[in-house]
Amino acid sequence: KAGVTQTPRYLIKTRGQQVTLSCSPISGHRSVSWYQQTPGQGLQFLFEYFSETQRNKGNFPGRFSGRQFSNSRSEMNVSTLELGDSALYLCASSLITGGGYTFGSGTRLTVV
Amino acid sequence: AQKITQTQPGMFVQEKEAVTLDCTYDTSDQSYGLFWYKQPSSGEMIFLIYQGSYDEQNATEGRYSLNFQKARKSANLVISASQLGDSAMYFCAMRDNFNKFYFGSGTKLNVKP
Repeated sequence: KAGVTQTPRYLIKTRGQQVTLSCSPISGHRSVSWYQQTPGQGLQFLFEYFSETQRNKGNFPGRFSGRQFSNSRSEMNVSTLELGDSALYLCASSLITGGGYTFGSGTRLTVV
Repeated sequence: AQKITQTQPGMFVQEKEAVTLDCTYDTSDQSYGLFWYKQPSSGEMIFLIYQGSYDEQNATEGRYSLNFQKARKSANLVISASQLGDSAMYFCAMRDNFNKFYFGSGTKLNVKP
């Protein structure tokens, strides 16, 4: 079966712009989590959605938001981009919240 | 506060030998889960092994085993018979009582031929 699909794979944006990243979970998985990975901070949890509801949220500013659709696909939006937002953004899905997650290959965002 | 510590930024191991990657965690939760993930240079995180806090036996998955020492709060990953394809970053992670995940800083493993 298909794995977790993240689009796009690479993205270059300018400071001040906004960006939307997409994640399609494994079929049947209802939980989707987002992580930011940077060399300095490592992997940091952004938020988790389950059945279209945000269940958990990490310590990120309000510029970072997300949503989940009825088909479990999820989007993450970052507004007013800053240079420090350059990172690999990973999406992970699971059958249940807190389960063993399967990760996608990530979207590498570069802010210039 | 929950915290995962991986003290080995980089490790080398000879092909076909075993290697242990260290992980310690800090939590006051009674119920939690411990995970190990592998991240090759492609970026994808690959789930390797899981250990529940109430599991009495150490988890094993093929060449991977988790050396769980609850009193010491350690969850070391043991890879037996290393292969060149095992070269990657390895992350230890913990799921807390609220189903939040916390990751360590990772260990870069290099397998030498």
